[in-house]
Amino acid sequence: DQQVKQNSPSLSVQEGRISILNCDYTNSMFDYFLWYKKYPAEGPTFLISISSIKDKNEDGRFTVFLNKSAKHLSLHIVPSQPGDSAVYFCAAGVENAGKSTFGDGTTLTVKP
Amino acid sequence: DTGVSQNPRHKITKRGQNVTFRCDPISEHNRLYWYRQTLGQGPEFLTYFQNEAQLEKSRLLSDRFSAERPKGSFSTLEIQRTEQGDSAMYLCASSLWQTGVAYEQYFGPGTRLTVT
Repeated sequence: DQQVKQNSPSLSVQEGRISILNCDYTNSMFDYFLWYKKYPAEGPTFLISISSIKDKNEDGRFTVFLNKSAKHLSLHIVPSQPGDSAVYFCAAGVENAGKSTFGDGTTLTVKP
Repeated sequence: DTGVSQNPRHKITKRGQNVTFRCDPISEHNRLYWYRQTLGQGPEFLTYFQNEAQLEKSRLLSDRFSAERPKGSFSTLEIQRTEQGDSAMYLCASSLWQTGVAYEQYFGPGTRLTVT
């Protein structure tokens, strides 16, 4: 059973508009969540994280929202830029454990 | 520090052969992770170390897979008697972990394994 799901394999937005990437999880033990970005031929790179004690975390153009009751988080990118085009992975974990559990990713394309 | 490095970047091997991959983490990081990624999927956890101790192995990891981190620095992942289903990208990541605080993982570029 996949514990972290990204139901949209792809998303296309116009430059300057908002990109919203979604992620659902099933394991209520998860207490921190992360978003990673991946370009071709590179490993994932960390983007932003949020602890389960918060419902929002913001870093520049990137904001992550967490809805614990719905077991849902989303990543907002405003404004979107062509350089944001990449695969975005949602990940979740338990703070005192080691591993992160990843979703299958959403490919974001930002059109100029 | 140049980040996490992995060698080789690509490996082609014949079914039944053994292969070994190396990962050099960021020097001050005490945790090291191995993941496997196949096309269209996210990274799948294999195992992780805290310093030299292997703390968790995925139950999906067969006994053909073994990992070491002998001095708490670099790590090796060996696959014995490779099978075509082992073809994947093998990712290494490292992180700094302190009690009660989780930090993001830094990934290397991966080793792409092709088993023919």
